[in-house]
Amino acid sequence: DQQVKQNSPSLSVQEGRISILNCDYTNSMFDYFLWYKKYPAEGPTFLISISSIKDKNEDGRFTVFLNKSAKHLSLHIVPSQPGDSAVYFCAAAGDTDKLIFGTGTRLQVFP
Amino acid sequence: DGGITQSPKYLFRKEGQNVTLSCEQNLNHDAMYWYRQDPGQGLRLIYYSQIVNDFQKGDIAEGYSVSREKKESFPLTVTSAQKNPTAFYLCASSIGPGGPGYTFGSGTRLTVV
Repeated sequence: DQQVKQNSPSLSVQEGRISILNCDYTNSMFDYFLWYKKYPAEGPTFLISISSIKDKNEDGRFTVFLNKSAKHLSLHIVPSQPGDSAVYFCAAAGDTDKLIFGTGTRLQVFP
Repeated sequence: DGGITQSPKYLFRKEGQNVTLSCEQNLNHDAMYWYRQDPGQGLRLIYYSQIVNDFQKGDIAEGYSVSREKKESFPLTVTSAQKNPTAFYLCASSIGPGGPGYTFGSGTRLTVV
């Protein structure tokens, strides 16, 4: 049972445009959500997070939106840059520290 | 610099042999985790430990074993019972519940031939 889902395995966006990566979850006990970025043959690096008491968190070009009623979160990257090309994982946590990861979305930003 | 170190980066083993992957952290984190990444399947939890001398099975623990004798170290052994051991293995650590998330190592690519 996949508790965290990223239904788009890949996304291709032109440089300068907005990238929107989506994530859905099924467990209503999740109250903390994170996005990680991963390059090939490297470990994921933390990008941005959001607590369930908020519906938006912004850090530079990156904004995460949380819609608790829909159990949906999204990551917006504006403007997209070629260096943003990577695999993005969303993750969720509840009352334990254990993170549940989605399957990832491969973003490609082309010139 | 604080961080989490996995070694080696690449590992080759013959089928039927046990192999141990190293994970060391100097972040003073209590919790440590092992994940496996396969194409199209994201990160799947193998084992985790929230305190020294204690660890729990994750979602895909069969064929793996771990130990947590020191806070800094959480080695993973891939045994011959693991049916499909070729994968990219990631170790992570965190300060524990309520913390800001995980710090990951750079991973070990294990290839069994």
